[in-house]
Amino acid sequence: DQQVKQNSPSLSVQEGRISILNCDYTNSMFDYFLWYKKYPAEGPTFLISISSIKDKNEDGRFTVFLNKSAKHLSLHIVPSQPGDSAVYFCAAIVAGTYKYIFGTGTRLKVLA
Amino acid sequence: DGGITQSPKYLFRKEGQNVTLSCEQNLNHDAMYWYRQDPGQGLRLIYYSQIVNDFQKGDIAEGYSVSREKKESFPLTVTSAQKNPTAFYLCASGLAGDLDISGPSTDTQYFGPGTRLTVL
Repeated sequence: DQQVKQNSPSLSVQEGRISILNCDYTNSMFDYFLWYKKYPAEGPTFLISISSIKDKNEDGRFTVFLNKSAKHLSLHIVPSQPGDSAVYFCAAIVAGTYKYIFGTGTRLKVLA
Repeated sequence: DGGITQSPKYLFRKEGQNVTLSCEQNLNHDAMYWYRQDPGQGLRLIYYSQIVNDFQKGDIAEGYSVSREKKESFPLTVTSAQKNPTAFYLCASGLAGDLDISGPSTDTQYFGPGTRLTVL
């Protein structure tokens, strides 16, 4: 049972435009969500997170939106840059526990 | 510098042999994790440890073993019982147990650079 889903395995966007990466979850107990960026043969690096008490969090070009009623979060990257080309994972956790649940990832390609 | 290291970067093993992957952190984190990444499958949790001398199975623990004798170290042994061991292995450490959801956005899990294991 996949509790965190990223239904788009890949996405291509023109440089300068907006990239929108989506993530759906099924467990209503999750109360913290994270986005990671991963290059091939490297470990993931943290991008941005959001807790369930918020519906939006912004950090520079990156904004994460959380819709709890729909159990959906999205990562917006504006403007997209070629260096953003990577695989993006969303992850979720119940606060006070130790087990993160990851989605399967979305490969973003930003075209110059 | 604080961080998390994994060694070696690439590892080759003959079928039927056990192999141990190293993971060390100097971030003073209580929690440590092992994940496996396969194409199209995201990150799957093998084992995690909340504290020294304690660890729990993740979703795909069969054929793997771990130990947590020191806070800084969480080695993973891939045994000959693991039927499909060729993969990219990621170690992480973190603060999940202390997570404050009312606090600012923060990373709660820090990843090492990974080890690519290939079984010949």
